[in-house]
Amino acid sequence: DSGVTQTPKHLITATGQRVTLRCSPRSGDLSVYWYQQSLDQGLQFLIQYYNGEERAKGNILERFSAQQFPDLHSELNLSSLELGDSALYFCASSGVESYTFGSGTRLTVV
Amino acid sequence: GNSVTQMEGPVTLSEEAFLTINCTYTATGYPSLFWYVQYPGEGLQLLLKATKADDKGSNKGFEATYRKETTSFHLEKGSVQVSDSAVYFCALFSGGYQKVTFGTGTKLQVIP
Repeated sequence: DSGVTQTPKHLITATGQRVTLRCSPRSGDLSVYWYQQSLDQGLQFLIQYYNGEERAKGNILERFSAQQFPDLHSELNLSSLELGDSALYFCASSGVESYTFGSGTRLTVV
Repeated sequence: GNSVTQMEGPVTLSEEAFLTINCTYTATGYPSLFWYVQYPGEGLQLLLKATKADDKGSNKGFEATYRKETTSFHLEKGSVQVSDSAVYFCALFSGGYQKVTFGTGTKLQVIP
């Protein structure tokens, strides 16, 4: 157990739908990062939050949004889903001496 | 900006062969360097790290030395096993972990 908790582990949904992925960071970590990993595109950085505020943005689509709550957990919202959004979605959290990944959510859009 | 370049895979080796996966970086300041491993169906796990020049990180028989003069952090293992088959990611951390840059990953396949 890495200490970073992601739910759900698996999600199957239809095109056009909206889903929410959840991430709880390691205790004490203030930063949360979201990544998308597709079969043929490696690890793509989406967005970073630090203590509730957006810190950095990567290749995140406008249909996607995220937020970090006062208790530091984060949610990634994916809307108007397309077949190409099928991927593994990872979050990571960082502290002074660590950068730790969760086990991911596998999203399948059918 | 910061960047990390890894050798392209897949890399296929026989069991007990010597492994090198090259990683070079471009960064300002004094970044920390990490190798992560992703086994099939799992998330990324920290394999080893080095936080300053000439540091050597090591774990599970893998090692990598932070070479500032060549801006490299090559991953090596003297004798690979089938269980080492995975994707390996080189990563650069700067600005107190607020900026993270990953390489594209190198898939390693070890055959008996």
